[in-house]
Amino acid sequence: AQSVSQHNHHVILSEAASLELGCNYSYGGTVNLFWYVQYPGQHLQLLLKYFSGDPLVKGIKGFEAEFIKSKFSFNLRKPSVQWSDTAEYFCAVNRYSGTYKYIFGTGTRLKVLA
Amino acid sequence: EAGVAQSPRYKIIEKRQSVAFWCNPISGHATLYWYQQILGQGPKLLIQFQNNGVVDDSQLPKDRFSAERLKGVDSTLKIQPAKLEDSAVYLCASSLVLDEQYFGPGTRLTVT
Repeated sequence: AQSVSQHNHHVILSEAASLELGCNYSYGGTVNLFWYVQYPGQHLQLLLKYFSGDPLVKGIKGFEAEFIKSKFSFNLRKPSVQWSDTAEYFCAVNRYSGTYKYIFGTGTRLKVLA
Repeated sequence: EAGVAQSPRYKIIEKRQSVAFWCNPISGHATLYWYQQILGQGPKLLIQFQNNGVVDDSQLPKDRFSAERLKGVDSTLKIQPAKLEDSAVYLCASSLVLDEQYFGPGTRLTVT
């Protein structure tokens, strides 16, 4: 079945540690890729997106993601996390299949220890 | 600019009762989405509108869920009758076509 997979469901890191959250999708063809974040008590909001061009995209708050087409992956990274990065992170894919459809991954809950 | 508005924020109902949620998208956003997010899972698309037409409702349980978007602006999502498994957060989002989605605060529904 076509899906978006986030393999890390819960991640705990200390401040200043590096972060990489995995995201894999199983759709062929052209896709648009997104990472959304939900801070405690807040709305889901966009972290970064990839439509085309440079496969390394930079988002807000020092986050970046790399699109590797051959691996169907769009992993999220941050070289040094902060306590304020504690949140839930969702990968999403927007693809065309008769109409444009958004599919979200199950999310990764990140806790950063001060 | 004003964000996506949703009401109510919380709702508790008994099974077999009916409930309705309201969403007001960002002005000018043609696409509106309703999602169901069950605890521990990612948002699941229930229905997607383009203006006031439905473009995807393949995951909407049509025997109990209905949605409409009058005049291509506000939208309502209704559940009738509710089941215990409908307990979830219902998210509304809007976007320009293909672009990022802007989410509302959600409605947390508890069915007892």
